[in-house]
Amino acid sequence: QKEVEQNSGPLSVPEGAIASLNCTYSDRVSQSFFWYRQYSGKSPELIMSIYSNGDKEDGRFTAQLNKASQYVSLLIRDSQPSDSATYLCAVIRTYKYIFGTGTRLKVLA
Amino acid sequence: DVKVTQSSRYLVKRTGEKVFLECVQDMDHENMFWYRQDPGLGLRLIYFSYDVKMKEKGDIPEGYSVSREKKERFSLILESASTNQTSMYLCASSLGDGWTSDSGNTIYFGEGSWLTVV
Repeated sequence: QKEVEQNSGPLSVPEGAIASLNCTYSDRVSQSFFWYRQYSGKSPELIMSIYSNGDKEDGRFTAQLNKASQYVSLLIRDSQPSDSATYLCAVIRTYKYIFGTGTRLKVLA
Repeated sequence: DVKVTQSSRYLVKRTGEKVFLECVQDMDHENMFWYRQDPGLGLRLIYFSYDVKMKEKGDIPEGYSVSREKKERFSLILESASTNQTSMYLCASSLGDGWTSDSGNTIYFGEGSWLTVV
């Protein structure tokens, strides 16, 4: 079992719709969780971090964390073609950041 | 803003050459990392350093070594480059240790170094 698992996609959504990206992790002691966006040929850039159970909203993005079920999700409201990218989920385990392989999102105009 | 700078963006090296990839961060971060990213395999940790004096192997250290002589600088060394080391290499830095839930745990990436070994 991978430490951080994501569906590779592609996840295709129409412009204006809500995109829902999911991630599960195996280590219960993980404390901090992150979503990064990566455009093709570029390095990952931070979208959101979340540390507590529940929802955290930032603009069109909402991160959701459920430590009991060991999953973290990212919702993108009013999806735009510019949101088309690969989204990486990451967790920390004692200094080490463990990344999922990413979900490719395609927003169709 | 945090700045992580990888000085070499695109390199082409011959098999057997010694290769140095340099990385500098300007935010006084304690922790620095080297990852490689390959299609379908995601980001894989090569080495990391959580203190100037400390270096730790990641998941795929074979064929690599690192140097951290100053807090702001973390170098990745390919002792004898091979074709299977053709990849994008990403340097990153962070402040926290991951055990406290605060924004200091965020990891920041450089722009990447594309290495081709022929």
